[in-house]
Formats: sequence, structure tokens, C-alpha cells
Amino acid sequence: DADVTQTPRNRITKTGKRIMLECSQTKGHDRMYWYRQDPGLGLRLIYYSFDVKDINKGEISDGYSVSRQAQAKFSLSLESAIPNQTALYFCATSKPGATGGGGQYFGPGTRLTVT
Amino acid sequence: GESVGLHLPTLSVQEGDNSIINCAYSNSASDYFIWYKQESGKGPQFIIDIRSNMDKRQGQRVTVLLNKTVKHLSLQIAATQPGDSAVYFCAEKFAGGTSYGKLTFGQGTILTVHP
Repeated sequence: DADVTQTPRNRITKTGKRIMLECSQTKGHDRMYWYRQDPGLGLRLIYYSFDVKDINKGEISDGYSVSRQAQAKFSLSLESAIPNQTALYFCATSKPGATGGGGQYFGPGTRLTVT
Repeated sequence: GESVGLHLPTLSVQEGDNSIINCAYSNSASDYFIWYKQESGKGPQFIIDIRSNMDKRQGQRVTVLLNKTVKHLSLQIAATQPGDSAVYFCAEKFAGGTSYGKLTFGQGTILTVHP
């Protein structure tokens, strides 16, 4: 979805390096999410944010941190990358109070390889 | 823990046939069930959702059926087209209490449509 962009789209890095993945959205949504996807698995939630002042851990937050710089921007950092963080990372957004179904809009993903 | 899973990892059909993708879920407290389509190199795209108090919901060429008795969800695609080839994920959403509406994703089914 062009309304949710992620940079970079691909990244190869070495073990121990700090990496930042960025997400921007023009949908005007308050809620933003970071997921990772591994081969043969569904998406697993890393962190989520309801608004600029709200940050929450997801299922697999260890080894990751996030920053919500503005309503439209949500960054994911790997402080010291390790090979098992090699995965496809997705950012998503949704409307506030989205108690209904669906409503999460995903970016195109960032393929991260840690060697 | 709660989980959402799929019976079949792959499904191959001929163009024009109807496709049925199945999903089993375990959290009977989920409020919504959602289907996403993920094409190669792209993020998941919302297809259709169904609220837990419904049995059936129809969209354009797609129908979702919910059987709460056996905790089973299915996605039916009518007149399947080559452009329908993708990985399909089911997800469940629980919006109760202090939950933000967490999405729990299943593993995914690969749908291949042969011309």
C-alpha cells in the first residue's frame, strides 16, 4: 500500500551492528505496528503504538526498540543485530478505536539479513 | 497459548474453479476474524472480515464462513483467477478489556492458480 512506506526495502548487515528500519504513513492513522515474518510463519507483533506518547511491547520485543517520532513515523531499531533477526519486517497502521475487523494497512516490507 | 492455524499449507486450483481456504482458531473470545492476501514482495492486504456473531459474510467474489462450534473459518474464492495466486492468512482479533485489538495470524496457505 503506497500510503505506508518503509525504508530501506532491503538491508544486509553484520552481527553486532545497529540497524534502524523506518516507516512512514500518509493515512492519518494514530495506531502503528511493527511485525516480523519468518518463512512458513505468520506475522508476529514486535511493538505497537496507539499514538505519539504510547509505546507497547508485542509478542517478541526482545532485541528490538522503537521510536514514534510523529503520528506519521514509527521506527524500529535493532541495537545489536544477530543472525536470528534475519526476517521480513512489516509496518502497519490502523484507525483509532478500531474495534472492528480488518483495518490494518501494511507497508511493502523490509527484508533484513544479518550475517 | 492462543493460536490460529491452517489445515493446508498449499492449494492448487485451475482458473475458473472455486477455491476454499481453511483456518482453525482456538480463542473463542475473539471478536473478529480477518483474511489477508499477501502477494510476492508485498505486504498483507485486507480482503474481508467477519464479526464473531455472524456465520457468513460475502464480498466481491469472496465469502467468509465462520463455524464457532468447531472454531473453523474458511475463505471461499469464486471463479479463481491467476491474480488470486498468493499466500492467504487468517487472523483473529480480540478487542476486549485493555486490549488494543491484537491480531494473531495463522501460518498462511499458498494458493496457486493454473491457467
